[in-house]
Amino acid sequence: EAGVAQSPRYKIIEKRQSVAFWCNPISGHATLYWYQQILGQGPKLLIQFQNNGVVDDSQLPKDRFSAERLKGVDSTLKIQPAKLEDSAVYLCASSRGTGETQYFGPGTRLLVL
Amino acid sequence: GQNIDQPTEMTATEGAIVQINCTYQTSGFNGLFWYQQHAGEAPTFLSYNVLDGLEEKGRFSSFLSRSKGYSYLLLKELQMKDSASYLCAVRDISGGYNKLIFGAGTRLAVHP
Repeated sequence: EAGVAQSPRYKIIEKRQSVAFWCNPISGHATLYWYQQILGQGPKLLIQFQNNGVVDDSQLPKDRFSAERLKGVDSTLKIQPAKLEDSAVYLCASSRGTGETQYFGPGTRLLVL
Repeated sequence: GQNIDQPTEMTATEGAIVQINCTYQTSGFNGLFWYQQHAGEAPTFLSYNVLDGLEEKGRFSSFLSRSKGYSYLLLKELQMKDSASYLCAVRDISGGYNKLIFGAGTRLAVHP
Protein backbone atom coordinates (compact mmCIF):
# COMPACT_ATOMS: atom_id res chain seq x y z
CA GLU A 1 0.00 0.00 0.00
CA ALA A 2 1.48 3.34 -1.03
CA GLY A 3 1.91 5.90 1.72
CA VAL A 4 0.99 9.57 1.85
CA ALA A 5 2.77 11.49 -0.89
CA GLN A 6 3.81 15.13 -0.62
CA SER A 7 5.61 17.55 -2.87
CA PRO A 8 7.81 19.44 -2.97
CA ARG A 9 10.08 18.11 -0.23
CA TYR A 10 11.91 21.40 0.20
CA LYS A 11 11.10 24.98 -0.66
CA ILE A 12 12.95 28.24 -0.09
CA ILE A 13 11.14 31.51 -0.77
CA GLU A 14 11.41 35.13 0.21
CA LYS A 15 8.90 36.78 2.51
CA ARG A 16 5.79 38.09 0.80
CA GLN A 17 6.06 35.45 -1.92
CA SER A 18 3.47 32.70 -2.33
CA VAL A 19 3.96 28.95 -2.13
CA ALA A 20 1.80 25.85 -2.59
CA PHE A 21 2.13 22.33 -1.26
CA TRP A 22 0.49 19.20 -2.60
CA CYS A 23 -0.62 16.03 -0.81
CA ASN A 24 -2.00 12.72 -2.05
CA PRO A 25 -3.38 10.60 0.81
CA ILE A 26 -3.43 6.83 1.16
CA SER A 27 -6.02 5.36 -1.21
CA GLY A 28 -9.41 5.04 0.44
CA HIS A 29 -8.65 7.40 3.31
CA ALA A 30 -11.54 9.80 3.74
CA THR A 31 -9.90 12.14 6.23
CA LEU A 32 -6.95 14.37 5.35
CA TYR A 33 -5.01 16.67 7.68
CA TRP A 34 -2.48 19.45 7.23
CA TYR A 35 -0.15 20.14 10.15
CA GLN A 36 2.52 22.76 10.75
CA GLN A 37 5.55 21.62 12.75
CA ILE A 38 7.96 24.28 13.92
CA LEU A 39 11.41 23.09 14.97
CA GLY A 40 11.36 21.62 18.47
CA GLN A 41 7.57 21.49 18.68
CA GLY A 42 4.89 18.93 18.03
CA PRO A 43 2.70 19.10 14.92
CA LYS A 44 -0.11 21.68 15.09
CA LEU A 45 -3.29 20.97 13.14
CA LEU A 46 -4.04 23.59 10.50
CA ILE A 47 -7.01 22.03 8.74
CA GLN A 48 -8.89 18.73 8.65
CA PHE A 49 -10.99 17.51 5.72
CA GLN A 50 -13.56 14.74 5.65
CA ASN A 51 -13.86 13.85 1.96
CA ASN A 52 -14.07 17.31 0.34
CA GLY A 53 -15.60 19.10 3.33
CA VAL A 54 -13.78 21.03 6.05
CA VAL A 55 -14.17 19.59 9.55
CA ASP A 56 -11.85 21.94 11.42
CA ASP A 57 -9.89 24.99 10.25
CA SER A 58 -9.91 26.86 13.54
CA GLN A 59 -6.11 27.17 13.65
CA LEU A 60 -5.62 28.07 10.00
CA PRO A 61 -4.46 31.71 9.58
CA LYS A 62 -7.09 32.42 6.97
CA ASP A 63 -5.70 35.83 6.04
CA ARG A 64 -2.76 34.11 4.37
CA PHE A 65 -3.34 30.35 4.33
CA SER A 66 -5.86 28.46 2.21
CA ALA A 67 -6.43 24.79 1.52
CA GLU A 68 -8.70 22.77 -0.70
CA ARG A 69 -9.57 19.16 -1.41
CA LEU A 70 -11.92 19.63 -4.32
CA LYS A 71 -12.48 16.01 -5.38
CA GLY A 72 -12.07 14.48 -1.96
CA VAL A 73 -8.71 12.91 -2.78
CA ASP A 74 -5.58 15.04 -3.09
CA SER A 75 -5.22 18.42 -1.48
CA THR A 76 -3.25 21.65 -1.80
CA LEU A 77 -2.20 24.08 0.92
CA LYS A 78 -1.25 27.61 -0.10
CA ILE A 79 0.45 30.45 1.74
CA GLN A 80 0.14 33.95 0.29
CA PRO A 81 1.98 36.08 1.28
CA ALA A 82 4.53 34.15 3.33
CA LYS A 83 6.06 35.52 6.52
CA LEU A 84 9.32 34.62 8.21
CA GLU A 85 7.45 32.79 10.98
CA ASP A 86 5.93 30.40 8.41
CA SER A 87 9.28 28.62 8.21
CA ALA A 88 8.39 25.10 9.32
CA VAL A 89 7.71 21.59 8.11
CA TYR A 90 4.23 21.14 6.64
CA LEU A 91 2.99 17.62 7.21
CA CYS A 92 0.06 15.98 5.49
CA ALA A 93 -1.60 12.98 7.11
CA SER A 94 -4.57 10.78 6.28
CA SER A 95 -6.80 8.30 8.06
CA ARG A 96 -9.70 6.02 7.13
CA GLY A 97 -12.04 8.18 9.15
CA THR A 98 -11.94 10.93 11.74
CA GLY A 99 -10.30 9.78 14.94
CA GLU A 100 -8.63 6.76 13.39
CA THR A 101 -4.88 6.27 13.24
CA GLN A 102 -3.22 8.96 11.15
CA TYR A 103 -0.43 8.17 8.71
CA PHE A 104 1.94 10.95 7.80
CA GLY A 105 3.67 11.93 4.59
CA PRO A 106 7.37 12.92 4.46
CA GLY A 107 6.54 16.63 4.82
CA THR A 108 7.58 19.78 3.00
CA ARG A 109 10.36 21.76 4.62
CA LEU A 110 9.70 25.49 4.03
CA LEU A 111 12.25 28.21 4.64
CA VAL A 112 11.12 31.82 4.32
CA LEU A 113 13.97 34.34 3.99
CA GLY B 1 -8.30 24.01 27.89
CA GLN B 2 -5.99 21.33 26.60
CA ASN B 3 -2.45 20.68 27.78
CA ILE B 4 0.04 17.89 27.13
CA ASP B 5 3.33 17.66 29.01
CA GLN B 6 6.29 15.42 28.33
CA PRO B 7 9.99 15.78 29.15
CA THR B 8 11.99 17.66 26.55
CA GLU B 9 15.00 15.37 26.45
CA MET B 10 16.14 12.01 27.80
CA THR B 11 19.28 9.94 27.41
CA ALA B 12 19.71 6.20 27.84
CA THR B 13 22.21 3.44 27.21
CA GLU B 14 21.98 0.85 24.47
CA GLY B 15 20.35 -2.32 25.80
CA ALA B 16 18.65 -0.55 28.69
CA ILE B 17 14.98 0.28 29.36
CA VAL B 18 13.58 3.81 29.22
CA GLN B 19 10.18 5.18 30.22
CA ILE B 20 8.84 8.36 28.62
CA ASN B 21 6.01 9.96 30.55
CA CYS B 22 3.14 12.06 29.28
CA THR B 23 0.53 13.91 31.32
CA TYR B 24 -2.48 15.54 29.76
CA GLN B 25 -5.48 17.71 30.54
CA THR B 26 -8.36 17.71 28.13
CA SER B 27 -12.13 18.02 28.41
CA GLY B 28 -12.97 15.42 25.78
CA PHE B 29 -10.41 12.61 26.09
CA ASN B 30 -11.01 9.87 23.54
CA GLY B 31 -7.73 7.99 23.29
CA LEU B 32 -3.97 8.51 23.31
CA PHE B 33 -1.40 7.83 20.61
CA TRP B 34 2.38 7.58 20.64
CA TYR B 35 4.36 8.43 17.52
CA GLN B 36 8.08 8.13 16.78
CA GLN B 37 9.77 10.82 14.72
CA HIS B 38 13.36 10.53 13.52
CA ALA B 39 15.12 13.80 12.77
CA GLY B 40 14.00 15.18 9.43
CA GLU B 41 11.35 12.52 8.94
CA ALA B 42 7.60 12.19 9.37
CA PRO B 43 6.01 10.82 12.55
CA THR B 44 5.26 7.11 12.46
CA PHE B 45 2.56 5.43 14.53
CA LEU B 46 3.74 3.35 17.50
CA SER B 47 0.79 2.64 19.77
CA TYR B 48 -2.72 3.53 20.80
CA ASN B 49 -4.51 3.33 24.17
CA VAL B 50 -8.13 4.15 24.90
CA LEU B 51 -8.73 1.96 27.97
CA ASP B 52 -6.66 1.88 31.15
CA GLY B 53 -3.80 -0.55 31.19
CA LEU B 54 -0.79 -1.71 29.28
CA GLU B 55 -0.56 -2.38 25.55
CA GLU B 56 2.51 -4.36 24.51
CA LYS B 57 3.94 -4.44 21.02
CA GLY B 58 7.35 -6.07 20.78
CA ARG B 59 9.98 -3.94 22.46
CA PHE B 60 7.52 -1.07 22.93
CA SER B 61 4.70 -0.89 25.49
CA SER B 62 2.33 1.93 26.31
CA PHE B 63 0.33 2.46 29.48
CA LEU B 64 -2.68 4.64 30.17
CA SER B 65 -4.40 5.83 33.34
CA ARG B 66 -7.40 7.95 32.40
CA SER B 67 -8.20 8.90 36.00
CA LYS B 68 -4.68 10.32 36.43
CA GLY B 69 -4.41 11.84 32.95
CA TYR B 70 -1.18 9.93 32.52
CA SER B 71 0.50 7.71 29.98
CA TYR B 72 3.97 6.32 29.46
CA LEU B 73 5.85 4.70 26.63
CA LEU B 74 8.27 1.98 27.66
CA LEU B 75 11.11 1.04 25.35
CA LYS B 76 13.04 -2.15 26.16
CA GLU B 77 16.38 -3.45 24.87
CA LEU B 78 17.22 -0.04 23.49
CA GLN B 79 18.99 0.16 20.15
CA MET B 80 20.87 3.06 18.63
CA LYS B 81 18.12 3.38 16.01
CA ASP B 82 15.65 4.24 18.80
CA SER B 83 17.26 7.68 19.02
CA ALA B 84 14.36 9.87 17.92
CA SER B 85 11.63 12.16 19.22
CA TYR B 86 8.61 10.49 20.79
CA LEU B 87 5.33 12.36 20.46
CA CYS B 88 2.40 11.89 22.80
CA ALA B 89 -0.90 12.82 21.13
CA VAL B 90 -4.33 12.99 22.71
CA ARG B 91 -7.49 12.43 20.70
CA ASP B 92 -10.04 14.97 21.88
CA ILE B 93 -13.73 14.99 21.00
CA SER B 94 -14.80 18.07 22.95
CA GLY B 95 -15.57 19.95 19.71
CA GLY B 96 -18.00 17.27 18.54
CA TYR B 97 -15.46 15.58 16.28
CA ASN B 98 -12.18 13.78 16.88
CA LYS B 99 -9.06 15.95 16.86
CA LEU B 100 -5.47 14.95 17.61
CA ILE B 101 -3.48 17.26 19.85
CA PHE B 102 0.27 16.66 20.00
CA GLY B 103 2.72 17.30 22.79
CA ALA B 104 6.06 18.92 21.98
CA GLY B 105 7.82 15.57 21.96
CA THR B 106 10.60 13.96 23.98
CA ARG B 107 13.97 13.77 22.27
CA LEU B 108 15.62 10.46 23.22
CA ALA B 109 19.34 9.94 22.70
CA VAL B 110 20.61 6.36 22.97
CA HIS B 111 24.35 6.04 23.49
CA PRO B 112 26.63 2.99 23.44
